[in-house]
Amino acid sequence: NAGVTQTPKFQVLKTGQSMTLQCAQDMNHEYMSWYRQDPGMGLRLIHYSVGAGITDQGEVPNGYNVSRSTTEDFPLRLLSAAPSQTSVYFCASSPPGLPDEQFFGPGTRLTVL
Amino acid sequence: SQKIEQNSEALNIQEGKTATLTCNYTNYSPAYLQWYRQDPGRGPVFLLLIRENEKEKRKERLKVTFDTTLKQSLFHITASQPADSATYLCALNAGNNRKLIWGLGTSLAVNP
Repeated sequence: NAGVTQTPKFQVLKTGQSMTLQCAQDMNHEYMSWYRQDPGMGLRLIHYSVGAGITDQGEVPNGYNVSRSTTEDFPLRLLSAAPSQTSVYFCASSPPGLPDEQFFGPGTRLTVL
Repeated sequence: SQKIEQNSEALNIQEGKTATLTCNYTNYSPAYLQWYRQDPGRGPVFLLLIRENEKEKRKERLKVTFDTTLKQSLFHITASQPADSATYLCALNAGNNRKLIWGLGTSLAVNP
Protein backbone atom coordinates (compact mmCIF):
# COMPACT_ATOMS: atom_id res chain seq x y z
CA ASN A 1 0.00 0.00 0.00
CA ALA A 2 1.21 3.51 -0.83
CA GLY A 3 -0.83 4.94 2.04
CA VAL A 4 -1.77 8.62 1.63
CA THR A 5 -0.14 10.38 -1.29
CA GLN A 6 -0.15 14.10 -2.05
CA THR A 7 0.91 16.05 -5.11
CA PRO A 8 2.62 18.35 -5.71
CA LYS A 9 5.21 18.45 -2.94
CA PHE A 10 6.00 22.13 -3.54
CA GLN A 11 4.09 24.85 -5.36
CA VAL A 12 4.50 28.58 -5.89
CA LEU A 13 1.48 30.60 -7.03
CA LYS A 14 0.80 34.22 -7.77
CA THR A 15 -2.04 35.99 -6.01
CA GLY A 16 -5.30 35.28 -7.79
CA GLN A 17 -4.24 32.03 -9.42
CA SER A 18 -6.19 28.85 -8.79
CA MET A 19 -4.93 25.34 -8.31
CA THR A 20 -5.83 21.90 -7.01
CA LEU A 21 -3.89 19.97 -4.40
CA GLN A 22 -4.28 16.26 -4.99
CA CYS A 23 -4.75 13.65 -2.27
CA ALA A 24 -5.28 9.92 -2.71
CA GLN A 25 -5.33 6.93 -0.38
CA ASP A 26 -5.38 3.21 -1.18
CA MET A 27 -6.49 1.91 2.22
CA ASN A 28 -10.24 2.11 1.54
CA HIS A 29 -10.64 4.68 4.31
CA GLU A 30 -13.99 6.42 4.53
CA TYR A 31 -12.86 9.49 6.43
CA MET A 32 -10.52 11.99 4.79
CA SER A 33 -9.54 15.50 5.79
CA TRP A 34 -7.41 18.47 4.83
CA TYR A 35 -5.34 20.46 7.30
CA ARG A 36 -3.08 23.43 7.05
CA GLN A 37 -0.12 23.85 9.38
CA ASP A 38 1.30 27.27 10.16
CA PRO A 39 3.95 28.31 12.69
CA GLY A 40 2.35 29.23 16.00
CA MET A 41 -1.07 28.02 14.84
CA GLY A 42 -0.74 24.27 14.75
CA LEU A 43 -2.79 22.00 12.54
CA ARG A 44 -6.16 23.44 11.57
CA LEU A 45 -8.91 21.52 9.82
CA ILE A 46 -10.01 22.98 6.47
CA HIS A 47 -12.56 20.46 5.15
CA TYR A 48 -13.36 16.84 5.78
CA SER A 49 -15.37 14.01 4.24
CA VAL A 50 -16.99 11.00 5.90
CA GLY A 51 -17.46 9.17 2.61
CA ALA A 52 -17.87 9.54 -1.14
CA GLY A 53 -20.29 12.35 -1.95
CA ILE A 54 -20.23 13.81 1.58
CA THR A 55 -18.11 16.77 2.59
CA ASP A 56 -18.26 19.33 5.38
CA GLN A 57 -16.43 22.41 6.57
CA GLY A 58 -13.79 22.44 9.23
CA GLU A 59 -12.32 25.31 11.20
CA VAL A 60 -10.87 27.39 8.34
CA PRO A 61 -12.81 26.60 5.10
CA ASN A 62 -12.88 30.04 3.45
CA GLY A 63 -11.08 30.19 0.11
CA TYR A 64 -11.07 26.41 -0.33
CA ASN A 65 -13.37 23.92 -2.03
CA VAL A 66 -13.41 20.14 -1.87
CA SER A 67 -15.27 17.29 -3.52
CA ARG A 68 -15.30 13.54 -2.93
CA SER A 69 -16.43 11.64 -6.00
CA THR A 70 -14.57 8.44 -5.06
CA THR A 71 -13.43 6.82 -1.82
CA GLU A 72 -9.80 7.15 -2.90
CA ASP A 73 -9.50 10.82 -3.91
CA PHE A 74 -10.08 14.04 -2.02
CA PRO A 75 -8.76 17.07 -3.93
CA LEU A 76 -8.51 20.53 -2.37
CA ARG A 77 -9.12 23.51 -4.65
CA LEU A 78 -7.84 27.01 -4.05
CA LEU A 79 -10.20 29.27 -5.97
CA SER A 80 -8.18 32.51 -5.98
CA ALA A 81 -4.93 32.17 -4.08
CA ALA A 82 -4.00 34.79 -1.48
CA PRO A 83 -0.73 35.27 0.44
CA SER A 84 -2.59 34.24 3.62
CA GLN A 85 -2.90 30.77 2.11
CA THR A 86 0.86 30.27 2.18
CA SER A 87 1.19 27.20 4.35
CA VAL A 88 1.94 23.51 4.49
CA TYR A 89 -1.10 21.42 3.61
CA PHE A 90 -1.65 17.89 4.88
CA CYS A 91 -4.21 15.37 3.79
CA ALA A 92 -5.18 12.62 6.23
CA SER A 93 -7.43 9.57 6.21
CA SER A 94 -8.76 7.12 8.76
CA PRO A 95 -10.79 3.91 8.63
CA PRO A 96 -14.45 3.68 9.69
CA GLY A 97 -15.41 3.62 13.36
CA LEU A 98 -14.73 5.99 16.21
CA PRO A 99 -12.16 6.70 17.37
CA ASP A 100 -9.25 6.01 15.14
CA GLU A 101 -5.81 7.12 14.21
CA GLN A 102 -5.32 9.40 11.26
CA PHE A 103 -2.84 8.55 8.51
CA PHE A 104 -1.16 11.63 7.07
CA GLY A 105 0.30 12.31 3.67
CA PRO A 106 3.75 13.89 3.21
CA GLY A 107 2.35 17.40 2.75
CA THR A 108 2.38 20.13 0.11
CA ARG A 109 4.33 23.31 0.79
CA LEU A 110 2.48 26.16 -0.91
CA THR A 111 3.80 29.70 -1.32
CA VAL A 112 1.55 32.45 -2.65
CA LEU A 113 3.35 35.57 -3.83
CA SER B 1 -11.97 29.99 25.15
CA GLN B 2 -11.22 26.40 24.30
CA LYS B 3 -7.58 25.53 23.92
CA ILE B 4 -4.87 22.92 24.18
CA GLU B 5 -1.46 23.70 25.60
CA GLN B 6 1.73 21.74 25.27
CA ASN B 7 5.18 22.52 26.69
CA SER B 8 6.02 25.65 24.74
CA GLU B 9 9.76 25.33 25.21
CA ALA B 10 11.87 22.68 23.57
CA LEU B 11 12.83 19.79 25.76
CA ASN B 12 16.47 18.68 25.82
CA ILE B 13 17.36 15.47 27.60
CA GLN B 14 20.25 13.06 27.79
CA GLU B 15 20.10 9.71 26.04
CA GLY B 16 18.78 6.98 28.31
CA LYS B 17 16.67 9.34 30.44
CA THR B 18 12.87 9.50 30.46
CA ALA B 19 11.25 12.33 28.53
CA THR B 20 7.93 13.62 29.85
CA LEU B 21 5.73 15.84 27.68
CA THR B 22 2.58 17.58 28.88
CA CYS B 23 -0.72 18.30 27.18
CA ASN B 24 -3.24 20.44 29.07
CA TYR B 25 -6.68 21.40 27.83
CA THR B 26 -9.50 23.65 28.95
CA ASN B 27 -13.23 23.74 28.23
CA TYR B 28 -13.28 20.35 26.52
CA SER B 29 -14.60 16.99 27.63
CA PRO B 30 -12.87 14.77 25.08
CA ALA B 31 -13.81 11.15 24.70
CA TYR B 32 -10.22 10.38 23.72
CA LEU B 33 -6.83 11.94 23.18
CA GLN B 34 -4.14 11.04 20.68
CA TRP B 35 -0.38 11.58 20.47
CA TYR B 36 1.51 11.94 17.19
CA ARG B 37 5.15 12.35 16.21
CA GLN B 38 6.20 14.77 13.49
CA ASP B 39 9.64 14.95 11.90
CA PRO B 40 10.76 18.04 9.95
CA GLY B 41 9.23 18.18 6.48
CA ARG B 42 6.93 15.22 7.11
CA GLY B 43 3.36 14.56 8.11
CA PRO B 44 2.42 13.54 11.65
CA VAL B 45 2.58 9.84 12.53
CA PHE B 46 0.17 8.29 15.03
CA LEU B 47 1.68 6.91 18.23
CA LEU B 48 -0.97 6.27 20.89
CA LEU B 49 -4.64 6.83 21.66
CA ILE B 50 -6.13 6.88 25.15
CA ARG B 51 -9.82 6.97 25.99
CA GLU B 52 -11.45 9.01 28.76
CA ASN B 53 -12.09 5.89 30.85
CA GLU B 54 -8.46 4.76 30.62
CA LYS B 55 -5.85 6.01 33.07
CA GLU B 56 -2.79 4.74 31.25
CA LYS B 57 -1.77 3.19 27.93
CA ARG B 58 1.59 1.69 27.00
CA LYS B 59 3.34 0.76 23.79
CA GLU B 60 6.94 -0.42 23.95
CA ARG B 61 8.93 2.52 25.46
CA LEU B 62 5.95 4.88 25.28
CA LYS B 63 3.42 5.55 28.03
CA VAL B 64 0.46 7.93 28.03
CA THR B 65 -1.67 8.94 30.99
CA PHE B 66 -4.98 10.76 30.90
CA ASP B 67 -6.39 12.62 33.90
CA THR B 68 -9.83 14.03 33.05
CA THR B 69 -10.06 15.76 36.43
CA LEU B 70 -6.84 17.69 35.89
CA LYS B 71 -7.61 17.94 32.14
CA GLN B 72 -4.13 16.73 31.40
CA SER B 73 -2.29 14.03 29.48
CA LEU B 74 1.33 13.10 30.04
CA PHE B 75 3.43 11.39 27.39
CA HIS B 76 6.54 9.51 28.53
CA ILE B 77 9.39 8.07 26.49
CA THR B 78 11.57 5.82 28.61
CA ALA B 79 15.20 4.96 27.78
CA SER B 80 15.17 7.79 25.24
CA GLN B 81 17.35 7.62 22.14
CA PRO B 82 18.60 10.31 19.71
CA ALA B 83 16.21 8.81 17.14
CA ASP B 84 13.33 9.93 19.40
CA SER B 85 14.18 13.56 18.61
CA ALA B 86 11.12 15.07 16.93
CA THR B 87 8.09 17.24 17.61
CA TYR B 88 5.28 15.53 19.51
CA LEU B 89 1.70 16.64 19.02
CA CYS B 90 -1.34 15.94 21.12
CA ALA B 91 -4.84 16.05 19.67
CA LEU B 92 -8.29 15.56 21.14
CA ASN B 93 -11.77 15.26 19.73
CA ALA B 94 -13.96 18.24 20.38
CA GLY B 95 -17.30 16.47 20.19
CA ASN B 96 -19.10 13.36 19.04
CA ASN B 97 -17.26 13.24 15.74
CA ARG B 98 -13.84 12.65 14.29
CA LYS B 99 -12.77 16.29 14.19
CA LEU B 100 -9.56 16.75 16.13
CA ILE B 101 -8.22 19.85 17.86
CA TRP B 102 -4.42 19.98 17.90
CA GLY B 103 -1.82 21.36 20.23
CA LEU B 104 1.17 23.24 18.83
CA GLY B 105 3.55 20.43 19.74
CA THR B 106 6.65 20.08 21.86
CA SER B 107 10.08 19.75 20.30
CA LEU B 108 12.18 17.04 21.92
CA ALA B 109 15.92 16.71 21.44
CA VAL B 110 17.69 13.67 22.85
CA ASN B 111 21.41 14.23 23.14
CA PRO B 112 23.86 11.33 22.83
